[in-house]
Amino acid sequence: DAGVTQSPTHLIKTRGQQVTLRCSPKSGHDTVSWYQQALGQGPQFIFQYYEEEERQRGNFPDRFSGHQFPNYSSELNVNALLLGDSALYLCASSYTTGNPEAFFGQGTRLTVV
Amino acid sequence: AQTVTQSQPEMSVQEAETVTLSCTYDTSESNYYLFWYKQPPSRQMILVIRQEAYKQQNATENRFSVNFQKAAKSFSLKISDSQLGDTAMYFCAFMKPFTSGTYKYIFGTGTRLKVLA
Repeated sequence: DAGVTQSPTHLIKTRGQQVTLRCSPKSGHDTVSWYQQALGQGPQFIFQYYEEEERQRGNFPDRFSGHQFPNYSSELNVNALLLGDSALYLCASSYTTGNPEAFFGQGTRLTVV
Repeated sequence: AQTVTQSQPEMSVQEAETVTLSCTYDTSESNYYLFWYKQPPSRQMILVIRQEAYKQQNATENRFSVNFQKAAKSFSLKISDSQLGDTAMYFCAFMKPFTSGTYKYIFGTGTRLKVLA
């Protein structure tokens, strides 16, 4: 079992650019959540996808958007990048019901310059 | 709104000794889960231990145990026989259920634990 995989592992972008991060959930999981972890902070919930729809959203601007594909994999898109978007982006997958425990990927380190 | 507070930014412990990490939380929910996650330099969040709020018995996982005080909204982690591999950031997390049946995590700011040889 490959667990949760994220790509790329590191990324450097320029202010104003757009970025796409990818996540493949653990086998059997149908729900994907994204978190932003700024340096020295705990992860903050961005949004959650289930059945290819955004089900829940945290306090993040519309520049942050996502997508879930029929195979449950997911993308996180960030438009008009700001320096403050520099962070570790974590993907977590889980079952919709039953065991609520989420499994996390190793994250994508995004640096905006 | 739910909040999770970890008041110890950094801690250190000698190898083979015992250390306790503190966590308090605030919620009006009656049914929830609490977790401790470990994040080593590899960045991967690794589940250490989990506690269901409806269970009075404190969870244990080998060298890791919790002291769950529901009325006080306290959830501390005790690491016994500390090992060098325990060096990491430790995050306390509250799992908030949505009406849809799914969940999100609310994390504390973390405690950096260093185990000294």
